[in-house]
Amino acid sequence: EPEVTQTPSHQVTQMGQEVILRCVPISNHLYFYWYRQILGQKVEFLVSFYNNEISEKSEIFDDQFSVERPDGSNFTLKIRSTKLEDSAMYFCASCCGGPTYEQYFGPGTRLTVT
Amino acid sequence: GDSVTQMEGPVTLSEEAFLTINCTYTATGYPSLFWYVQYPGEGLQLLLKATKADDKGSNKGFEATYRKETTSFHLEKGSVQVSDSAVYFCALGFSSNTGKLIFGQGTTLQVKP
Repeated sequence: EPEVTQTPSHQVTQMGQEVILRCVPISNHLYFYWYRQILGQKVEFLVSFYNNEISEKSEIFDDQFSVERPDGSNFTLKIRSTKLEDSAMYFCASCCGGPTYEQYFGPGTRLTVT
Repeated sequence: GDSVTQMEGPVTLSEEAFLTINCTYTATGYPSLFWYVQYPGEGLQLLLKATKADDKGSNKGFEATYRKETTSFHLEKGSVQVSDSAVYFCALGFSSNTGKLIFGQGTTLQVKP
């Protein structure tokens, strides 16, 4: 069965450094998402991406964040200058053609900012 | 704003016990409702869904009924197994937007043999 993959599974970085989290969505999907979960808290929506542009973003997704689909298969989340409070599990998700809302999630990347 | 509230965990049950995980929501409009499950080391997987009031979603022995009058979508299973141990997330989404999901905080279920 097709699945969403994410790399790395765990990333440790120092405050102020840039990180790029990578995702490979399911190949025929058209909608892409990033969510995050700070330890012990809710899974929160960050951003959605469709037709090569951001379709919606939350207030968490400030200028330090960006997303890209550089080559038609990968979907990346970049954090330009990490803060301690960016430490969280980041989940990528993708959804099939049309808004059926069956989002398929990757296993997540645990980001630790020290 | 739109939100989802789940019962606090962890929930610890013996095998074959009856499971209920409560979920209530606040939303303007008519959302679709979902239960996702996360097994250790894996991503969130869709367990079941309901798209309108009085719909019942079911899968793998789990079921939940969309109750508009009580704004609830409680998850139930008649007889849990050790393999059901996981974190369960209730979520809502709308058909008129990008399909973002709004999640509850998750409930950890531990089933003991």
